[in-house]
Amino acid sequence: QVQLQESGPGLVRPSGTLSLTCTVSGGSISSTNWWSWVRQPPGKGLEWIGEIYRRGTTNYNPSLKSRVTISIDTSKNQFSLKLSSVTAADTAVYYCARLYGSGDYNKKRFDSWGQGALVTVSS
Amino acid sequence: QSVLTQPPSVSGAPGQRVTISCTGSNYNIGAGYDVHWYQQLPGTAPKLLIYGNSNRPSGVPDRFSGSKSGTSASLAITGLQAEDEADYYCQSYDSSLSGWIFGGGTKLTVL
Repeated sequence: QVQLQESGPGLVRPSGTLSLTCTVSGGSISSTNWWSWVRQPPGKGLEWIGEIYRRGTTNYNPSLKSRVTISIDTSKNQFSLKLSSVTAADTAVYYCARLYGSGDYNKKRFDSWGQGALVTVSS
Repeated sequence: QSVLTQPPSVSGAPGQRVTISCTGSNYNIGAGYDVHWYQQLPGTAPKLLIYGNSNRPSGVPDRFSGSKSGTSASLAITGLQAEDEADYYCQSYDSSLSGWIFGGGTKLTVL
């Protein structure tokens, strides 16, 4: 059973860059899966941020694309999120998750999630 | 506003049956993309509840079932229990956004 764990600063200044890392255990990040970031503002719903494949191919939510960078470090079994020019609207719990499933890419689902990391944007 | 529309809340008494709808468009559910459902208990991460429209992962009780028709999908919960009180989210793929989308979430209250 793969496990994911987010880590990073819980407070980021406005206009700064949010940085989080997800460490994967119980399985190889180099397997045939996509690795994703999803966020949830306090009291609100889930929003997909983006994802990365083992070889570094990425897909991003168009609404965040200009500010997001997701990278992968297969030697450490980790993948990371950077979100630049943050505002209070970026305050949220950030989850890393595995996108899993055989067959068509668009049939995959998020089957494993980290516990989440609350990131607050405030001065 | 979410691309997938869910009712903000539903409720039911213990033992009853409730359904949660998820309405999309011809760019997502209506295009044939699978719908998945997640249960989020208070203060915890989402948990995969139904995948591929109607399949249950190992360990999910058969009280939970999913269906899909046209541009909509539904989650049904029978024999409602107090422990089912949670937020429920549907999720699919959207071809116009070229990405994953979630419904706005439905809060289930067990009376």
